[in-house]
Amino acid sequence: GAGVSQSPSNKVTEKGKDVELRCDPISGHTALYWYRQSLGQGLEFLIYFQGNSAPDKSGLPSDRFSAERTGGSVSTLTIQRTQQEDSAVYLCASSFDQTSYEQYFGPGTRLTVT
Amino acid sequence: GQNIDQPTEMTATEGAIVQINCTYQTSGFNGLFWYQQHAGEAPTFLSYNVLDGLEEKGRFSSFLSRSKGYSYLLLKELQMKDSASYLCAVRGLNTNAGKSTFGDGTTLTVKP
Repeated sequence: GAGVSQSPSNKVTEKGKDVELRCDPISGHTALYWYRQSLGQGLEFLIYFQGNSAPDKSGLPSDRFSAERTGGSVSTLTIQRTQQEDSAVYLCASSFDQTSYEQYFGPGTRLTVT
Repeated sequence: GQNIDQPTEMTATEGAIVQINCTYQTSGFNGLFWYQQHAGEAPTFLSYNVLDGLEEKGRFSSFLSRSKGYSYLLLKELQMKDSASYLCAVRGLNTNAGKSTFGDGTTLTVKP
């Protein structure tokens, strides 16, 4: 079937606005992961879901960041009152479940906060 | 927490062999990944090691020593398309099994 999809592919927003990023995992994958990648850097773990539950939220940078997943499928990552340091590529990945070691990544959303 | 180190950049010649090292210090270890990421693209999975030793997959091999907190990715018969960033990542343990901590990546440039 289709791979992981993310929308939008690019988002430019003004400082202080809220943004919502969407991830559609591979059908049947119960685990879903959000990462952030700044230019020239590695991936920074944000949060992961097993089903609709988020066992580990420790990577969320601040309380301006939140994520939810409903129906065990689509997930949204919301950033409130965006700041310039939030500019990065936000990557979503999914795996069969949280014990599966291979994660399949989406193309990412490039967020630019002006 | 997790601390992962890998060289920032490496250069090698087409047809040669290159070894990319990764060292880690962790509070809980449940396996080590290697991912390949071409510029502007998403990472793609290369390998996963949870036991000590060498895992070979075509031109790519990955080695792990848990006692030394050390891994390497070995690329043989280098091709120009192997120019990419190579990311080392450590997987958490138990309730953190879904959490992978990544290094900053090694940018490999393959020259003719």
